[in-house]
Amino acid sequence: DAGITQSPRHKVTETGTPVTLRCHQTENHRYMYWYRQDPGHGLRLIHYSYGVKDTDKGEVSDGYSVSRSKTEDFLLTLESATSSQTSVYFCATGVGGTATTQYFGPGTRLTVL
Amino acid sequence: AQTVTQSQPEMSVQEAETVTLSCTYDTSESDYYLFWYKQPPSRQMILVIRQEAYKQQNATENRFSVNFQKAAKSFSLKISDSQLGDAAMYFCASYAGGSARQLTFGSGTQLTVLP
Repeated sequence: DAGITQSPRHKVTETGTPVTLRCHQTENHRYMYWYRQDPGHGLRLIHYSYGVKDTDKGEVSDGYSVSRSKTEDFLLTLESATSSQTSVYFCATGVGGTATTQYFGPGTRLTVL
Repeated sequence: AQTVTQSQPEMSVQEAETVTLSCTYDTSESDYYLFWYKQPPSRQMILVIRQEAYKQQNATENRFSVNFQKAAKSFSLKISDSQLGDAAMYFCASYAGGSARQLTFGSGTQLTVLP
């Protein structure tokens, strides 16, 4: 248990509305990640952070932005949600000096109507 | 770039029997790590086992063990004495450091345990 919580756990929203998902960790890990999970694709990296205010894009970053103003919080924002962003979103933290092992939060199921 | 392939979308095993889930990977990195994650119906991603590529010895965690064949780029998971609670989706993943330090996942294998 890496002390990761995600909020909300479930959300239904409408196309075109902004959405922010929050990831909170209690272990002071430097690396944090946002993944999305879709059927047949496993998990794919959206964005990651390697420190406060240090973020970079992952494999499927279009339509998403992130922010990290505190070590413990990593926010994922959908500026204008689309139906293709309906998915399950997982936050993870990287453990160890080189962050080789990642532990995951419980996930957020987002439905965009 | 890394790729991870799981060619068995579904598998089943009788309770108390042994099952092996297959995974192949490709990476150009010399230093990398391999993982198996379990995702039960609760949706939580649970780390099952981890293997460092530089280690020749196969990793073991209780009833879970891996067969790491580096030259063949194969990383299979063996579950011994299968239990009903082992029923889940299993994901193979690789990590090769670099600036992103990201995991690359396979598409998963759904394991059913039959009583």
